Amino acid sequence: RKEVEQDPGPFNVPEGATVAFNCTYSNSASQSFFWYRQDCRKEPKLLMSVYSSGNEDGRFTAQLNRASQYISLLIRDSKLSDSATYLCVVNLGAGSYQLTFGKGTKLSVIP
Amino acid sequence: GAVVSQHPSRVICKSGTSVKIECRSLDFQATTMFWYRQFPKQSLMLMATSNEGSKATYEQGVEKDKFLINHASLTLSTLTVTSAHPEDSSFYICSARGLVQGRPEAFFGQGTRLTVV
Repeated sequence: RKEVEQDPGPFNVPEGATVAFNCTYSNSASQSFFWYRQDCRKEPKLLMSVYSSGNEDGRFTAQLNRASQYISLLIRDSKLSDSATYLCVVNLGAGSYQLTFGKGTKLSVIP
Repeated sequence: GAVVSQHPSRVICKSGTSVKIECRSLDFQATTMFWYRQFPKQSLMLMATSNEGSKATYEQGVEKDKFLINHASLTLSTLTVTSAHPEDSSFYICSARGLVQGRPEAFFGQGTRLTVV
């Protein structure tokens, strides 16, 4: 089983739609979770951290389910500029900064 | 503000030659540097981890004699792809970790697209 798994998509959604991505991780000792965004093979950029209680940042909502070992990202009112690849990222923590990346889920928002 | 500068952004080299990629941390000290590689439609794969002044730790399957990493200072790390071959063509990204205003932060370089012909 891969360490971090995501549906590669692509997800093609119209502007204004709500879209959700899920990600599962295999290591139950993982402590930190993130969603990164990557555009056109550029460097990944942190979108948001994922907290146990769930967290929201504008149109983006992230949730963590430790029991089932998955995290999710919900995007409301999709914009054309949201088109990108969204990477699920997991950190074992305990002083380690090593990040394990999922393959990413490609999102295309269509006018 | 704290950023990571990676150069070159794009390089084309002949098979058999060596290529050096630089990663510099600006306005913070990178105690740990990670080097990733990303093939088309694949995720970022960690190649090696280096701490300033120490030898790099390579991931399984990554040849340490082929991918030379130097992290001699807290602001500079280099990755040298030696005797490059077409299969080494990929997108290489560094990530620098360190304390910024007392908090651990991580930043990515802009990436280097290597094409070996």
